[in-house]
Amino acid sequence: KNQVEQSPQSLIILEGKNCTLQCNYTVSPFSNLRWYKQDTGRGPVSLTIMTFSENTKSNGRYTATLDADTKQSSLHITASQLSDSASYICVVSDRGSTLGRLYFGRGTQLTVWP
Amino acid sequence: EADIYQTPRYLVIGTGKKITLECSQTMGHDKMYWYQQDPGMELHLIHYSYGVNSTEKGDLSSESTVSRIRTEHFPLTLESARPSHTSQYLCASSESGQGRMSYEQYFGPGTRLTVT
Repeated sequence: KNQVEQSPQSLIILEGKNCTLQCNYTVSPFSNLRWYKQDTGRGPVSLTIMTFSENTKSNGRYTATLDADTKQSSLHITASQLSDSASYICVVSDRGSTLGRLYFGRGTQLTVWP
Repeated sequence: EADIYQTPRYLVIGTGKKITLECSQTMGHDKMYWYQQDPGMELHLIHYSYGVNSTEKGDLSSESTVSRIRTEHFPLTLESARPSHTSQYLCASSESGQGRMSYEQYFGPGTRLTVT
């Protein structure tokens, strides 16, 4: 069964600190992995997307890594800001269908305190 | 910010009412999607469309229906709302890729539906 598991479920950090969110997946055949940021009451917004051949990608203070062999990914946030408070969702796409089906994790709820 | 819009943003309605959630995009994307999301849970695909006059059911069974008469418009309708339909509904769109490559999905802001 294709699944995407994220940890931790929730995380509280102080402003200015770094943090790392984890994602494990069993989706096969793998096409790409995306990290989305979803603010409360809003739709998800893409942060990064990585294909099989990419093992790291950065977007400002966000850096995602991918280990396709172990089927793990992480999202590292540097120098956190209050505006980083949101749910971070790991999404994996398969290449076994024309639709390019997306499999969503439940997200890590990050809270940044001043 | 993606050019995809949803209305209304919030809706509180009584049981048995018919409702239509609107979704429109100005990016000319062929593919459009409807997802349902409960608090703290993952998004579930309930409907998708490859283009005009194309609609398919998604992974999660839903009593809602959709239509795709115009490329930019993908409304979702509930004929008779029930409390079990209370959820957040997210619309998304993407380009059509060559082969089986899945392209970036752009999400709307969502509609928070509460059925009393």
